[in-house]
Amino acid sequence: DIQMTQSPSTLSASVGDRVTITCRASQSISSWLAWYQQKPGKAPKLLIYKASSLESGVPSRFSGSGSGTEFTLTISSLQPDDFATYYCQQYSSYLTFGGGTKVEIK
Amino acid sequence: QVQLVQSGAEVKKPGASVKVSCEASGYNFTTYGISWVRQAPGQRLEWMGWISADNGNTNYAQNLQGRVSMTTGTSTSTAYMELRSLRSDDTAVYYCARDGRYSSGWLDYWGQGTLVSVSS
Repeated sequence: DIQMTQSPSTLSASVGDRVTITCRASQSISSWLAWYQQKPGKAPKLLIYKASSLESGVPSRFSGSGSGTEFTLTISSLQPDDFATYYCQQYSSYLTFGGGTKVEIK
Repeated sequence: QVQLVQSGAEVKKPGASVKVSCEASGYNFTTYGISWVRQAPGQRLEWMGWISADNGNTNYAQNLQGRVSMTTGTSTSTAYMELRSLRSDDTAVYYCARDGRYSSGWLDYWGQGTLVSVSS
């Protein structure tokens, strides 16, 4: 099984900050990676697919990069609505999710 | 608009089975697949498996093989997930999500979630 490791597990930031979340795969997954945002009590929401493709309707302050085993999700200017937990997910071999990164208010 | 509407919360005893439904609307059901994902309290998302709504092919997570079954009803645009021999650690919110037609990929629309509680 492909394991996905996210860092940090928790991130404290302020509105307007640039935020970067890292996701590492236990083996190469090419660009077969997606990112999701989840708020408490809600279903995840797709942000990015194929490592860097922005899902329709998602604000352009969200961006994804990387390939192989190392990936990043960047929020260029953190907004109040962005405080949530973020998950990466590989789909190179079945599906596995990272452990999540909680973005909280500093 | 695309919607996935799941059945309501369930309370089950250990050893019982649960069947969760997921009714799709707003798109051609048979041109996509459905994945099921669960989330235990405070835990990460866990993929359970995928079914093609086109041909009924399935892939199940290895740790659930033998206990999980996924089916679809194309006339009703509904997907079903049945989990048998329930244990307390199966307590979780169960989500369906729209997936690829022939293989799993990214999950672009999700149901609202169904809480399944397993307790004696």
